[in-house]
This record gives sequence, C-alpha cells and structure tokens, in this order.
Amino acid sequence: SQQGEEDPQALSIQEGENATMNCSYKTSINNLQWYRQNSGRGLVHLILIRSNEREKHSGRLRVTLDTSKKSSSLLITASRAADTASYFCATDAVSDYKLSFGAGTTVTVRA
Amino acid sequence: NAGVTQTPKFRVLKTGQSMTLLCAQDMNHEYMYWYRQDPGMGLRLIHYSVGEGTTAKGEVPDGYNVSRLKKQNFLLGLESAAPSQTSVYFCASRHRTDQPQHFGDGTRLSIL
Repeated sequence: SQQGEEDPQALSIQEGENATMNCSYKTSINNLQWYRQNSGRGLVHLILIRSNEREKHSGRLRVTLDTSKKSSSLLITASRAADTASYFCATDAVSDYKLSFGAGTTVTVRA
Repeated sequence: NAGVTQTPKFRVLKTGQSMTLLCAQDMNHEYMYWYRQDPGMGLRLIHYSVGEGTTAKGEVPDGYNVSRLKKQNFLLGLESAAPSQTSVYFCASRHRTDQPQHFGDGTRLSIL
C-alpha cells in the first residue's frame, strides 16, 4: 500500500505563480523525499528532508515537514513552463530498505 | 557516467511469452529496486535487492522474478506474461537507505 498521498491530484497555474502541493503519510519516517517526473521519463530527485528538519530550500523549491501531523508540502515559486511535470513524495520509513511513493500531483504551468 | 540504464526501452509481448528486463547501474550502489507505474497509481515496488546475491519481495511481486548475480545488474523476469502486466517498469538504485534513489528512464511493456 502507498504510504504517501499527495494533494491535489492535479494543479494548473499561470507562469510566474507559485505552486503548492501536499503529502500526508502514515508511519514514522527517517526522511521524506520529493521527486519530479517529466512525461515519458524516469523520476528525478528534487529534495530530501530528514525527520529532524522542519524546512529546506533548493533554488525555487521549498519543502516543509511536520512530523506531528505526518505531512509535508512542496512549494515551487515563480513557476516556469519547464516545471510542468508530475511530482511525487516518497517516505523512507524507520528500519526499512524501501521508499513508499504516493500517486503524485500533476502540475501544468500555462504560458 | 551513465547512471541507471534500462534495456529494452519498449517491448510488445504476446500473452504467455517470457522476457527479461535488464537494469544496470555504474554508481556502485548497494540497493536496487524494480517498480511498475500504472496510470493514477504512482509507483509500486515489485522486488528489491539490498546487495549482490540478495533479493526480496515488494508490494506486487506475483508473476515476476528477479536476480542480482552482479552488483551492478538487477534483472526482472516475466515467466509467462499476462495483459495485467502491461505497464511502465522503472529501475532505481541508491548507495544507502538514507539517500535518494536514482532512476532509469523506464521500459514500456505491452502484453497483448
């Protein structure tokens, strides 16, 4: 079963706007990761946030983690057409070798 | 540095045929994974390996077998293909469990 669940399933925004998507999970984690998938390609790692971190930045990306609510958010600021993709959260559970992926959020950035 | 390479990229099979998907990584990673991706369902783990000579079942292992005879290669086999196995298959690897996974570009498999 999938550990992470993203919300919303789909998001359409204008170029230059910010995009926010959320991820909820069920069990204790070591870290939470966000990935991007462009159409027809494999997943690309964006950012990893550890369970003892609350916020992390990478370029135009900002990730927050609230372990008490078992949730995370990914914010993309000043979106571009090239940000059009599907975004997945994945959880690294305690004492596990595997990542558990959510179903993803499909983001469309309109020019 | 090629990263994770999947072979083949596309394949069409008839029901009952067998085939092997190859995943090769050149990063000396210990952990390797096979996923399938179906519309609206994200990635589901089929099998994984925590090192050379080891394999373990994931979330949806039925109908698949794997082998990891060499550290750099992880093979996924379909013994008797079924239409329900039509999917996009992704391989991934990572060095340690607290690190990100590196993905190949996928194998698109259609079973008629």
